[in-house]
Amino acid sequence: EPEVTQTPSHQVTQMGQEVILRCVPISNHLYFYWYRQILGQKVEFLVSFYNNEISEKSEIFDDQFSVERPDGSNFTLKIRSTKLEDSAMYFCASRREAGGPQTQYFGPGTRLLVL
Amino acid sequence: GEDVEQSLFLSVREGDSSVINCTYTDSSSTYLYWYKQEPGAGLQLLTYIFSNMDMKQDQRLTVLLNKKDKHLSLRIADTQTGDSAIYFCAEKTDSWGKLQFGAGTQVVVTP
Repeated sequence: EPEVTQTPSHQVTQMGQEVILRCVPISNHLYFYWYRQILGQKVEFLVSFYNNEISEKSEIFDDQFSVERPDGSNFTLKIRSTKLEDSAMYFCASRREAGGPQTQYFGPGTRLLVL
Repeated sequence: GEDVEQSLFLSVREGDSSVINCTYTDSSSTYLYWYKQEPGAGLQLLTYIFSNMDMKQDQRLTVLLNKKDKHLSLRIADTQTGDSAIYFCAEKTDSWGKLQFGAGTQVVVTP
């Protein structure tokens, strides 16, 4: 069964460093998402992406964040200058259809720790 | 504003039924979802319900929706130890599919 994959599973970085989190969505999906979950808190929406552009973003998704679909398979989240409060689990999700339940399928997550 | 609330913890004996409750505030939600998260794993979609339905049954899972009270519940029949996990309810809040999640309910199944 097709699934969303994410790499790396864990990343430790120093404050101020750039990180790139990678996702491979399900191959025939058209809509892509990033969410994050700070330890002990809710899963929060960051950004949605469709047709090679951002369709919606949250207040969290400031100028330090960017997303890209550099080729036909990868979907990346870049954090330019990480802060301590960026430490969280980052989930990528994708979905195919435009109508109906629009079911999103989630990857296993990347746990980011900023020191 | 959008907000989804869940109780944080539920303990249940193996073989009993579990009921996880959720309330939401966005009356324009079209679909509501239940996701399961096992330790160290991602979010696994369990089931969803369309907002014009009252109930949906899928094997051991029953979803009840009270749209007037904005209350959603997930019943797991014959709960097994493998059902121990965190369960999230979520609502779809706009046409781009953005999901608003609750904080999750930790379900612990005891033998």
